[in-house]
Amino acid sequence: GAGVSQSPSNKVTEKGKDVELRCDPISGHTALYWYRQSLGQGLEFLIYFQGNSAPDKSGLPSDRFSAERTGGSVSTLTIQRTQQEDSAVYLCASSYHTGVNTEAFFGQGTRLTVV
Amino acid sequence: SQKIEQNSEALNIQEGKTATLTCNYTNYSPAYLQWYRQDPGRGPVFLLLIRENEKEKRKERLKVTFDTTLKQSLFHITASQPADSATYLCALDTTDKLIFGTGTRLQVFP
Repeated sequence: GAGVSQSPSNKVTEKGKDVELRCDPISGHTALYWYRQSLGQGLEFLIYFQGNSAPDKSGLPSDRFSAERTGGSVSTLTIQRTQQEDSAVYLCASSYHTGVNTEAFFGQGTRLTVV
Repeated sequence: SQKIEQNSEALNIQEGKTATLTCNYTNYSPAYLQWYRQDPGRGPVFLLLIRENEKEKRKERLKVTFDTTLKQSLFHITASQPADSATYLCALDTTDKLIFGTGTRLQVFP
């Protein structure tokens, strides 16, 4: 596609429910990243993929968070048993490859509100 | 862990002036540093990348400096315009991911 696409753009869920956030990266980009941005805050790294593997999951806040990527393309971030502190904008980015010297292209984000 | 500091307070300047934003980091020696612009409700957009052996990088009205001794990068917008109003994020370019600062909100008023 022309850019990184995320869906849904907005999601309101009840506390305790599971949610799935989807990211469709730019075609041909092997690297895919998930970040979280709370109101007025910077971007918090969650996880990245090189192809279908996730070498670095260090940013996932708890075991309620998981992510997968299939076919080297679409990625899904799943949050189980959502809590109010999970409310944030979840941003996905892709780049041609991992490593230094490569710019990241971001989607518009999914705004998650847990009530 | 890496710590990246940007001015948390908004920077308000008058149109036509030069805006200067600061990014300081600790506990890391990145080979590259990137700057992004973020508008409300949107994802960040890449602006410039500077390498550790480059003291200065320019792109149109934008200029970035990178002092690895001070562990600091400065981001300048010359002849600022109201359309430059946004949040600007610096990011350390590590071996496998970008680590972002909290960003500085710039407001350019006519």
